[in-house]
Amino acid sequence: KQEVTQIPAALSVPEGENLVLNCSFTDSAIYNLQWFRQDPGKGLTSLLLIQSSQREQTSGRLNASLDKSSGRSTLYIAASQPGDSATYLCAAHTGGFKTIFGAGTRLFVKA
Amino acid sequence: SQTIHQWPATLVQPVGSPLSLECTVEGTSNPNLYWYRQAAGRGLQLLFYSVGIGQISSEVPQNLSASRPQDRQFILSSKKLLLSDSGFYLCAWSPTGEAGYTFGSGTRLTVV
Repeated sequence: KQEVTQIPAALSVPEGENLVLNCSFTDSAIYNLQWFRQDPGKGLTSLLLIQSSQREQTSGRLNASLDKSSGRSTLYIAASQPGDSATYLCAAHTGGFKTIFGAGTRLFVKA
Repeated sequence: SQTIHQWPATLVQPVGSPLSLECTVEGTSNPNLYWYRQAAGRGLQLLFYSVGIGQISSEVPQNLSASRPQDRQFILSSKKLLLSDSGFYLCAWSPTGEAGYTFGSGTRLTVV
């Protein structure tokens, strides 16, 4: 049974700092891994989707990597801004309409 | 471009009342559709998914049901709400089972 864990559960950093959010999964047989951002009381906004054959994806200040063999994905945020404050969730798609979500990392960027 | 609409945004309902949440997708055909529930401080729980009109798969036996009367319409219902049905409900779609998901804006349901 696939399990997805995100560490840390919460993170507070000063503005301008580079940071890494971690996501680990127990079953390496995944089709893809997707990172989302969720603002309080809002839906999930897709940030990056990494297919199982890919190692990383980049969008602006965001870079996500995938290491299936170790069961890990990281989301790197460069030069963090207060507007980056949100909860970040990762989701591992294991096929058959099964996508397992982590509980998220709540990020607070201090101005 | 594809868009997903979900309404209402918030809903306060008494225990025992019925429920109907609606989700529609525009700009695509035959999408896979999903209903998730998110409890406070917890991950997302898949409730139902659908691969076509009238085809509904339930992941968690509960007080809720889903229907897909049209290709791009997905409805979450209940005949009698329980206090435990309170939560944040999210609709999502994907073009295939292995592609990424796009979520709606969510419905905050409070059962009182």
